[in-house]
Amino acid sequence: GQQLNQSPQSMFIQEGEDVSMNCTSSSIFNTWLWYKQDPGEGPVLLIALYKAGELTSNGRLTAQFGITRKDSFLNISASIPSDVGIYFCAGQLRTGTASKLTFGTGTRLQVTL
Amino acid sequence: NAGVTQTPKFQVLKTGQSMTLQCAQDMNHEYMSWYRQDPGMGLRLIHYSVGAGITDQGEVPNGYNVSRSTTEDFPLRLLSAAPSQTSVYFCASSRGSRGSGNIQYFGAGTRLSVL
Repeated sequence: GQQLNQSPQSMFIQEGEDVSMNCTSSSIFNTWLWYKQDPGEGPVLLIALYKAGELTSNGRLTAQFGITRKDSFLNISASIPSDVGIYFCAGQLRTGTASKLTFGTGTRLQVTL
Repeated sequence: NAGVTQTPKFQVLKTGQSMTLQCAQDMNHEYMSWYRQDPGMGLRLIHYSVGAGITDQGEVPNGYNVSRSTTEDFPLRLLSAAPSQTSVYFCASSRGSRGSGNIQYFGAGTRLSVL
């Protein structure tokens, strides 16, 4: 099946530091989504990207849709303890339906004071 | 705002037992999906539906059945549970179509253990 490589798998950073994570795909996507999952909860959407090259921000979060349509990155500036969680990228294939998203394996973020 | 509601939150089954995981959404979304989440593997699509009466298989459909008799509900059935089905199950819905309609909203999950 479709593979989404997400890196890094985990990060352990200090409060106030900036964070960067990315996803790469072997196929072209027409939509990239970034989700965050807190322990015991379902994923919650952070940012949605719809066009190649698109750069979108949501507070301290910034995500970009790669120009090749095969990658995306998420940056978190000035991390705080509540940023702890697992971050997932998800992509929709051109021929897929709205329900068929492919998810990355996640980046686990831990923040220390 | 209820959004996507999943029941039960936790379930323990014995091998061979059957059960139904419930999912309901109150956003009038056309599209609904079931995923399973296993350690280190992200979320994998089990089955999905593009509207009432229409379902299709995802990446890992074996051992699961679905039906979509109403827009609101999308139950997932395990006919004969196996230990390999121990996982966390998430239901999601989206408005459908292109652009922002692709955004999927997730329930809180059902944690299933099969002994």
